[in-house]
Amino acid sequence: NAGVTQTPKFRVLKTGQSMTLLCAQDMNHEYMYWYRQDPGMGLRLIHYSVGEGTTAKGEVPDGYNVSRLKKQNFLLGLESAAPSQTSVYFCASTQPSGSYNEQFFGPGTRLTVL
Amino acid sequence: AQRVTQPEKLLSVFKGAPVELKCNYSYSGSPELFWYVQYSRQRLQLLLRHISRESIKGFTADLNKGETSFHLKKPFAQEEDSAMYYCALRHFGNEKLTFGTGTRLTIIP
Repeated sequence: NAGVTQTPKFRVLKTGQSMTLLCAQDMNHEYMYWYRQDPGMGLRLIHYSVGEGTTAKGEVPDGYNVSRLKKQNFLLGLESAAPSQTSVYFCASTQPSGSYNEQFFGPGTRLTVL
Repeated sequence: AQRVTQPEKLLSVFKGAPVELKCNYSYSGSPELFWYVQYSRQRLQLLLRHISRESIKGFTADLNKGETSFHLKKPFAQEEDSAMYYCALRHFGNEKLTFGTGTRLTIIP
């Protein structure tokens, strides 16, 4: 099992360009999350999904959109990239149960917006 | 509002010395807390959770509801403990996690 994978690993954009980050998981997890990691800020939740076809806003959703058309995939879109979106993006997934199941993280995507 | 505070951004400790990474939280209900770790060039992974009351890689963490703290401790630091450590608080229902800002631990040989 590959677990959680992210595509691409690195990307450089110019201000105003758009792109989509892909997250895929092969664990049949119901819930998926997108975080951004910035120095001194920790991990902040951008958007999340509690099932196929559902999405919800997290802590810092502005400037991002997401889609969960298939259970195994969670896409994060930047319609018009800004330098403030330079960050490392992490995807995670978990399967809900009565007790807590850990979130499994992808390797991250390092995005630079010039 | 739920909040997790890690007051130390950087912490350096000599090998063999005790380690304590601080974590404080604010939460209106009954909290469930975790420590996640990110080693160099590796992905973020769960280290331990308070409900398990377990020791992982020599680390322990006790939930102190009176002081609203969940500090991570290890009696004797090892070089392989150098990593970024995040304290996190669970949101029931949607399983969201609120992370602290992280502490980068460096073990000095």
